[in-house]
Amino acid sequence: DVVMTQTPVSLSVSLGGQVSISCRSSQSLVHNNGNTYLSWYLQKPGQSPQLLIYKVSNRFSGISDRFSGSGSGTDFTLKISRVEPDDLGVYYCGQGTQYPLTFGSGTKLEIK
Amino acid sequence: QVQLKESGPGLVQPSQTLSLTCTVSGFSLTSYNVHWVRQPPGKGLEWMGRMRYNGDTSYNSALKSRLSISRDTSKNQVFLKMNSLQTDDTGTYYCTRDRTIAAMDAWGQGASVTVSS
Repeated sequence: DVVMTQTPVSLSVSLGGQVSISCRSSQSLVHNNGNTYLSWYLQKPGQSPQLLIYKVSNRFSGISDRFSGSGSGTDFTLKISRVEPDDLGVYYCGQGTQYPLTFGSGTKLEIK
Repeated sequence: QVQLKESGPGLVQPSQTLSLTCTVSGFSLTSYNVHWVRQPPGKGLEWMGRMRYNGDTSYNSALKSRLSISRDTSKNQVFLKMNSLQTDDTGTYYCTRDRTIAAMDAWGQGASVTVSS
């Protein structure tokens, strides 16, 4: 199984600041078809997860351009700029390249 | 609009079978894959299994011996059955969908399941 390792476990940021979350996979996430199926999700308190980014760097419909994804192979990053109060929650990376699908253990974002 | 909604018993006794239903609207089960993902209290996400758009299924090997996923396309429903439940099966169970982007772009509100006598 592909192990997804997220760091840090938690972070605290001031409103208007910028944060980066790292996600590393134990195997390359490049699919045989050439696509890299790495996604980012945000789970706000008391809610279901929601999709932010798919295929490494594509923002899902309605997602602010303050969220950006980058990376390749086994090393990926989510950046959040101009942090707003509504950004708080737990961020998960997830891979869709190989079954079983797997997720990182999450990064909790708190607002200072 | 796209909706997924989980339903089922909130309480299951140890060693018994969990049955959940995911009722979808706004899209076709023959065009999208539907997954089950669970989350123990205060913990992360675990992929359980998938009903593919063509009726094929895939399961997490850790659960495969206990898990079955099926569907009724005429009712727009996907079913999860898991037997031999234990207390560490307690958590929130989500159904979610994906298609070509291999990312889960819509989620149900989740069904809370407690395994307890």
